[in-house]
Amino acid sequence: AQSVAQPEDQVNVAEGNPLTVKCTYSVSGNPYLFWYVQYPNRGLQFLLKYITGDNLVKGSYGFEAEFNKSQTSFHLKKPSALVSDSALYFCAVRDPNNYGQNFVFGPGTRLSVLP
Amino acid sequence: DAGVTQSPTHLIKTRGQQVTLRCSPKSGHDTVSWYQQALGQGPQFIFQYYEEEERQRGNFPDRFSGHQFPNYSSELNVNALLLGDSALYLCASSDGTGAITQYFGPGTRLTVL
Repeated sequence: AQSVAQPEDQVNVAEGNPLTVKCTYSVSGNPYLFWYVQYPNRGLQFLLKYITGDNLVKGSYGFEAEFNKSQTSFHLKKPSALVSDSALYFCAVRDPNNYGQNFVFGPGTRLSVLP
Repeated sequence: DAGVTQSPTHLIKTRGQQVTLRCSPKSGHDTVSWYQQALGQGPQFIFQYYEEEERQRGNFPDRFSGHQFPNYSSELNVNALLLGDSALYLCASSDGTGAITQYFGPGTRLTVL
């Protein structure tokens, strides 16, 4: 069965500093991995995905994520955080052999960027 | 290009009632998935519709049912509401023929009293 762990409930970072939001996963075979962001009282907004190829994936708003197969991790990163990046971040995995294409989400990590 | 839309935005019901939530997928998408997001948790997969049929279902009771219409829009129905059904219900759409990313609507906040 697929599963996703986000080991930190909360991440605090000062504006202008680099940020990392951690994600580890468990899935048979080669996974499809995703990051979504959720602002208060809003739906999920797609940031980036890893399907295959380069382990460093670049996405929206300056975010990037690094896929590490040996550590089964897919950490979200940004070189310089903005106050407007403060939100709830979800990592998700999809088994490419899953006919129904459903996602399994992690519990979320709340990012607070302090001015 | 309209994204995924959901209605209503908010809904308040009492225990035992029935509710219907609606979703229109992003233009060009034919697959709709429904998720339940309880407060402080990640979204949980309810079911997915493709070609007007339920293609896959998560671990939710039969009180949760759905429908997809020929125009690809979808409804989520919940019968015999429980307090624990209070959550944000998210609809996501994708291209069922091979696209990988799901795009989410703003959600419907259901409160059961």
